[in-house]
Amino acid sequence: DAGITQSPRHKVTETGTPVTLRCHQTENHRYMYWYRQDPGHGLRLIHYSYGVKDTDKGEVSDGYSVSRSKTEDFLLTLESATSSQTSVYFCAIRDPNSGNTIYFGEGSWLTVV
Amino acid sequence: AQSVTQPDIHITVSEGASLELRCNYSYGATPYLFWYVQSPGQGLQLLLKYFSGDTLVQGIKGFEAEFKRSQSSFNLRKPSVHWSDAAEYFCAVGPNAGNMLTFGGGTRLMVKP
Repeated sequence: DAGITQSPRHKVTETGTPVTLRCHQTENHRYMYWYRQDPGHGLRLIHYSYGVKDTDKGEVSDGYSVSRSKTEDFLLTLESATSSQTSVYFCAIRDPNSGNTIYFGEGSWLTVV
Repeated sequence: AQSVTQPDIHITVSEGASLELRCNYSYGATPYLFWYVQSPGQGLQLLLKYFSGDTLVQGIKGFEAEFKRSQSSFNLRKPSVHWSDAAEYFCAVGPNAGNMLTFGGGTRLMVKP
């Protein structure tokens, strides 16, 4: 158990509304990530963080923003949700105590209608 | 740019039969390589990883993978498949053990009784 909790686990929202997904970790790891998973694409990195207030873009960052005001929480925000952002979102942490392996949360299913 | 190809989208094997899932990567330096498994509705679980050293790595649940630099491959194998192995399997490559992991599109494994 990597101590990662994602919320909400399931959400349906309307096009144009803002949405925030939360990732909480209990181990105070420095690196945290947000990925999205879509059929045929595997997982693609949206944003990542390497410390409080330190974030950077990933492969598919357009339409997303992130914030990390505390070590344990990493928030992903869709400022104005679109149908193309219907996906499963996974938070992950990097564990330096296991060779910097990445561990994933259980996922958040987001549907934009 | 790094990339990962999993040529088989779906594979069906009989319970008790051997399994090999293919993974080919493109990366300019020595890669860090991973296999993850995902059961329906769940997050990704790390099966095994290769950083350096012995090119045959052992993982959990009886899986192993072999790194072949000359073929740019990191195929996953299991000598005898169990019904509980039915899941989706993802290969991933990174420049180091964490940041900017790139995933393949996944291979869905089905197991026949």
